[in-house]
Amino acid sequence: SAVISQKPSRDICQRGTSLTIQCQVDSQVTMMFWYRQQPGQSLTLIATANQGSEATYESGFVIDKFPISRPNLTFSTLTVSNMSPEDSSIYLCSVEGQSSTDTQYFGPGTRLTVL
Amino acid sequence: AQSVAQPEDQVNVAEGNPLTVKCTYSVSGNPYLFWYVQYPNRGLQFLLKYITGDNLVKGSYGFEAEFNKSQTSFHLKKPSALVSDSALYFCAVRAPRTNDYKLSFGAGTTVTVRA
Repeated sequence: SAVISQKPSRDICQRGTSLTIQCQVDSQVTMMFWYRQQPGQSLTLIATANQGSEATYESGFVIDKFPISRPNLTFSTLTVSNMSPEDSSIYLCSVEGQSSTDTQYFGPGTRLTVL
Repeated sequence: AQSVAQPEDQVNVAEGNPLTVKCTYSVSGNPYLFWYVQYPNRGLQFLLKYITGDNLVKGSYGFEAEFNKSQTSFHLKKPSALVSDSALYFCAVRAPRTNDYKLSFGAGTTVTVRA
């Protein structure tokens, strides 16, 4: 399975500011995904990021609020823009490789608190 | 639309007793089913999956799951639970491989194993 790291692991931010979360994978992957896990809740897919194309956002999530970059096959960033306390969540990236294993592997997550 | 139901918010068992975490699903076509575990302040760890073949799937840490098509279920089991199995467990489903790689997660079941 891929080894996935995320930076930062946690942060406390003021409302109105933005935070960029980095996701690094130790191997090249086609599909990368960003999820949000609100306190006490399950995971919700924010968007799918393929290298070389625009990210595909799920219903309820928009690019202006959650811009995503995917500059190469091992790296992606998610920015949480103009944050409010409702954005306090764990943000996780995941990957699905090119070997058609159909398994998504997750990073350790970024725990964000917005004051 | 695909969905997953985990009917129990919490499962409490004594160490050494069998552990079962329930999951039912709804998806068009033959499902791809997954179990993940989340330890406190950690990301999701993949436990096991069912894609096709034998209905009984064995995974990490002594866990197994049984796919039952007629009951649309994929219950997670462990014959003898350990205190270290205490965590949050998620069942997830996706449709057979198409251009839509979306994983849908259940609400999660908190497992507590008492010594």
